[in-house]
Amino acid sequence: SQQGEEDPQALSIQEGENATMNCSYKTSINNLQWYRQNSGRGLVHLILIRSNEREKHSGRLRVTLDTSKKSSSLLITASRAADTASYFCATDNAGNMLTFGGGTRLMVKP
Amino acid sequence: GAVVSQHPSRVICKSGTSVKIECRSLDFQATTMFWYRQFPKQSLMLMATSNEGSKATYEQGVEKDKFLINHASLTLSTLTVTSAHPEDSSFYICSARDIGLLNSPLHFGNGTRLTVT
Repeated sequence: SQQGEEDPQALSIQEGENATMNCSYKTSINNLQWYRQNSGRGLVHLILIRSNEREKHSGRLRVTLDTSKKSSSLLITASRAADTASYFCATDNAGNMLTFGGGTRLMVKP
Repeated sequence: GAVVSQHPSRVICKSGTSVKIECRSLDFQATTMFWYRQFPKQSLMLMATSNEGSKATYEQGVEKDKFLINHASLTLSTLTVTSAHPEDSSFYICSARDIGLLNSPLHFGNGTRLTVT
């Protein structure tokens, strides 16, 4: 079953703008992960943030985690057309299985 | 980085036939692999957890006799869709985690697009 809910479901921006996606979840977690999926392909891991961390950076990606609100955000700065994809958050609460959110479909227009 | 190979990437079969999908971890060992199903523009739904050397654990609503899972080694899990029907047409994705790494991300195969005619 899905635990995470993501918003927006779809986001369309111009190249160079920032894109922010949010994820909310219901139960306690060990960590939260963000994945990217190009159309018709598998998922690529982007970043993992542990429950005791509040913010993490990786290149143009910035992830925040607020365990009190059970929410996370993914910020992509200076977006590029190649960032067009679906982005999923996934929660790890049992150390083994991931539960995925509904995803955000990002379109970056050149 | 760790690689998971999934084969085939696309398969078209006739109703009533069976299809086998393979998932291999290429440079790490995985006692557990996960099989997901994804409908267009939707998220991944976990179908089953494949355990090396033991029976798979199926999620509620997933027919174990229809979706046969075999995890014969630490690097290979297979999903067989038996007596496939058009409603089984979907995108199937496997994933695995390196048993040697705690708190590590899942590594995904590139998925298999199954079309049942």
